[in-house]
This record gives sequence, structure tokens and C-alpha cells, in this order.
Amino acid sequence: EVQLVESGGHLIQPGGSLRLSCAVSGLSVSDNCVSWVRQAPGKGLQWVSLIDGGDATYYAGSVMGRFTVSRDSSKNTLFLQMNSLRGDDTGIYYCARDTGINGWTDLWGQGTLVIVSS
Amino acid sequence: QLVLTQPPSASASLGASVKLTCTLSGGDSNSAIAWHQQHPDKGPRFLMKVTSGGGHIKGDGVPDRFSGSISGAERYLAISSLQSEDEADYYCQTWDTGIRVFGGGTKLTVL
Repeated sequence: EVQLVESGGHLIQPGGSLRLSCAVSGLSVSDNCVSWVRQAPGKGLQWVSLIDGGDATYYAGSVMGRFTVSRDSSKNTLFLQMNSLRGDDTGIYYCARDTGINGWTDLWGQGTLVIVSS
Repeated sequence: QLVLTQPPSASASLGASVKLTCTLSGGDSNSAIAWHQQHPDKGPRFLMKVTSGGGHIKGDGVPDRFSGSISGAERYLAISSLQSEDEADYYCQTWDTGIRVFGGGTKLTVL
């Protein structure tokens, strides 16, 4: 069974940094495309970032230059490094498997909550 | 710029059918669409991917009551024989190389 399990979310002050993890089982992160998608409280889904099976990374304009996605193939884990956090970064962050660099999302994790507040 | 627009709410009676809409702008009207379901306080679940030719790829365990279609800029998710567990938020998704776009979501109420 394929599973994606996020962790690392917690309360952080504005301007701070946080690193989220997505531990994957049942498939290789080196061979798959994975997105980070967030959901602000009471709001819809917002795509944040994508890393493909190579080293290509992509970001939404709202996080470009502040967030960095990466992976550790030895641990089969993905990371989302979030710097210069703002209040509007608050939300649940999901990692999700995509079918390809030009493909759709077909598997979701359960999410981890990030709260940016003083 | 890819944009998907969904009405914020829809409702239908138990046992009835409903068709949720998602309007694409800024993209190819022949492009495929994906649909996701989200129950309150749960993570999203992939329902299906639908092509303009009518082909479907469904997620694990998605009932046959769920189907999708495309007509011009409109993308549809149809649910027949509505059950109480179908009450949820539904999101459409489109994509291009290195980008993913979600609609704002439709909250479906089963009366």
C-alpha cells in the first residue's frame, strides 16, 4: 500500500522558518513526481510546489524565493523548507503524488498543520 | 493563466442525482480534468481523471455512481443515487508542465 505521511507542522512566529517532511512508503520518491498543496482554514486547496523524478522543482508565485522543496532518496522522504513565514502561510500542508510532471494528483497524505502567528 | 471556477455550493436530495460544474479559462478546452473529494476535517481523496474523449481513470474504491464529462470549457462531475456520505467538498484540478491549479471547491449538501 502506498502511503504519504506528513510531519513537522506547528506554531511558528512570523518571519520564522519551518521544515516539513513527507515520508513515503510503497513507491520511490526518486521515480515519482510529488506536490505540496496547502489549505488555509475554511478555504480551498492551493498548489504550492512540485518536485519531479529528476531534480526539477516548481513553485507557486506566492512562495517563490521563500520555500524550497527537496528529497532524501535514502530515506524515501520529501521536504518543504519554508522561510520568511507569513500569516497567510497558515494552513494544512499536504504532500501528494502526481502522475507525472504534466499530470494530475492521484494520492494524498493526511496533512500537517502549520500556524504562523505571534 | 489557468483558472478553474466552481460554484461554492450545491444541494440535492438523498437518492437523487447531481451534476457539479467546473469552468476552465486560460487553457485548452480539450484538456483533461481531475476531481477530488474532501470530507470535513479529512484530507482530500482522488476521485477520477476525465478526458475530453470521455475516458475515465478512477481512484481506488470510487463507486460507479460517480462519473465525469467535458463539454467545451465546462467540466462536470455527476453523482447518481446520492448517499449521505457524498456530502463533502469537491475540487476540480487542471495541470500543465510544472504547475497544478485547483478550483475553489463546491460544498455539496445532501438534503
